[in-house]
Amino acid sequence: QSVLTQPPSVSAAPGQKVTISCSGSSSNIGGNYVSWYQQFPGTAPKLLIYENNKRPSGIPDRFSGSKSGTSATLGITGLQTGDEADYYCGTWDSSLSAWVFGGGTKLTVL
Amino acid sequence: EVQLLESGGDLVQPGGSLRLSCAASGFTFSNYAMSWVRQAPGKGLEWVSCISGSGSSTYYADFVKGRFTISRDNSKNTLYLQMNSLRAEDTAVYYCAKVRDSGPYYGHDQWGQGTLVTVSS
Repeated sequence: QSVLTQPPSVSAAPGQKVTISCSGSSSNIGGNYVSWYQQFPGTAPKLLIYENNKRPSGIPDRFSGSKSGTSATLGITGLQTGDEADYYCGTWDSSLSAWVFGGGTKLTVL
Repeated sequence: EVQLLESGGDLVQPGGSLRLSCAASGFTFSNYAMSWVRQAPGKGLEWVSCISGSGSSTYYADFVKGRFTISRDNSKNTLYLQMNSLRAEDTAVYYCAKVRDSGPYYGHDQWGQGTLVTVSS
């Protein structure tokens, strides 16, 4: 049982938009920055979003992040088949003094 | 270019020990906190431990407290994870990851390729 809750899977058609939610509490998302990671099978995770809504260089602006209260959302527009991957949210939990990840969401581009 | 290269993964018996290493290059190692994150086969990411840039502060997930020890040698640009009293449930790919700042609160912006630890008799 992950501290952060994500939907196990989401799907959408190519060219459409999808959002992935990440729900937590005041000790984690509510009080700390959220980051998002993309992982393809058999490869290491890659940082997509940091500090709630910032993109590292090289990440297309099709990827966006937002945070409101104790929840965060990853948005992906103009979906491509190459976006099919697992997506994880993560943040620091001040009560646990530990970093926590969501359980991951598998994106399928139909 | 930032590079993180893990090593030390192996097959070990339950109750055994293993030390993982992560050689870092391409950035000022001592300026950044570093984490170990693991992923069991077919499962999600699970944070294991983090150490501040100076090495003065360490943080652990509850399931490894008392069994695993994180450390770093800033003169060698190397991160370590000493794993003792290993259990079958510790079987996973272990990733070394760079934090965006000297403390643990920020995202992990660079990841190694991972090293596989298998705990089995």
